[in-house]
Amino acid sequence: AQTVTQSQPEMSVQEAETVTLSCTYDTSESDYYLFWYKQPPSRQMILVIRQEAYKQQNATENRFSVNFQKAAKSFSLKISDSQLGDAAMYFCAYRTFNTGANSKLTFGKGITLSVRP
Amino acid sequence: GAVVSQHPSRVICKSGTSVKIECRSLDFQATTMFWYRQFPKQSLMLMATSNEGSKATYEQGVEKDKFLINHASLTLSTLTVTSAHPEDSSFYICSATRVYQETQYFGPGTRLLVL
Repeated sequence: AQTVTQSQPEMSVQEAETVTLSCTYDTSESDYYLFWYKQPPSRQMILVIRQEAYKQQNATENRFSVNFQKAAKSFSLKISDSQLGDAAMYFCAYRTFNTGANSKLTFGKGITLSVRP
Repeated sequence: GAVVSQHPSRVICKSGTSVKIECRSLDFQATTMFWYRQFPKQSLMLMATSNEGSKATYEQGVEKDKFLINHASLTLSTLTVTSAHPEDSSFYICSATRVYQETQYFGPGTRLLVL
């Protein structure tokens, strides 16, 4: 079974600075998907970024980028130019490549990010 | 695109009553929908996976007779908490995926309080 580990429960960043959130995972599969979701105080889960394991290029979405190290099974999220609205709980998630009944997500425990003005 | 709604957003009920929560994909057809439960400051716990027209697949430890899931159409799944008790109070979230796609889109969640 796959596992996702987010070892840091909380982090803090100064507004306009850069922060990196860590995530490691364990799997025996070679093809899979990785995601970062954001959950602000409203508790609405919002997709931040996704990465296909077969792609070597790191995914980017505006101020959000990932450092995907497949051999190390590491998938960290970098937030540049942090804004107050980035304050939220962030979840790293893994999904197997196969469609169908096995398409569920495996979530990490999450990390609470606070942004200091 | 890829908007998922949930209704109601919050509900308070008496112990012993049943509560139905609806999850709708508003602008796409969802072949698979998922139901999660989340406690404060914790991660999402998957309860069950439902595919349109099929019986739901429940995770280990989730009572099928207590949490009834129906996925009658490609845009609607319902979760019914039967004979609710205070320990069922929680935040319930649904998500949906498009056919042959891997990204789950989440609803805004339903806060259930059982008195």
